[in-house]
Amino acid sequence: GNSVTQMEGPVTLSEEAFLTINCTYTATGYPSLFWYVQYPGEGLQLLLKATKADDKGSNKGFEATYRKETTSFHLEKGSVQVSDSAVYFCALLGAAGNKLTFGGGTRVLVKP
Amino acid sequence: GAGVSQSPRYKVAKRGQDVALRCDPISGHVSLFWYQQALGQGPEFLTYFQNEAQLDKSGLPSDRFFAERPEGSVSTLKIQRTQQEDSAVYLCASGGRWRTEHSPLHFGNGTRLTVT
Repeated sequence: GNSVTQMEGPVTLSEEAFLTINCTYTATGYPSLFWYVQYPGEGLQLLLKATKADDKGSNKGFEATYRKETTSFHLEKGSVQVSDSAVYFCALLGAAGNKLTFGGGTRVLVKP
Repeated sequence: GAGVSQSPRYKVAKRGQDVALRCDPISGHVSLFWYQQALGQGPEFLTYFQNEAQLDKSGLPSDRFFAERPEGSVSTLKIQRTQQEDSAVYLCASGGRWRTEHSPLHFGNGTRLTVT
């Protein structure tokens, strides 16, 4: 079946540091890949997505590239802010069906 | 409404009680999902509706879990004879189109269920 593995947190960074959160997946066929973010006290919201190999999703300074050869979708941001403190979830949508499979989440804490 | 609304926000139930959790999706959204999120884990799929039709209930952990969406809008997740392992946050999400890749899912803030 489909599965997503992402690095465990918490990840603690200083403001303006570089952030990488690793995500790898197992799926049959060609899934679509997503990053969702959950800010404190709020619901999950879509951060970015990529629907085919080599696509790059980007939003709010975050980027992730769909790498089929390494089955990865690592999230990166060049200069984090305190407001980026949140829990980040990598997810995939299988080629068949319509349900998202999520990773376990990575908590990121950015200190001033 | 402006977003997906879930109620109650918190629910404490004694083991063996029945509970009902409500989800009001964004008006006009055809797809509706229920997820279960244990503490420190990612959301796990429970069930999915397209309008009033329940197309996938493969994630429901037992026959104590039942979901409905009779008129294709509001949905209720019912858990009978609650057990301690049912303690989790229950998330509802809705989407404007059938395929999730074409339409971002909008999540509610969840109902935190604690079974004592």
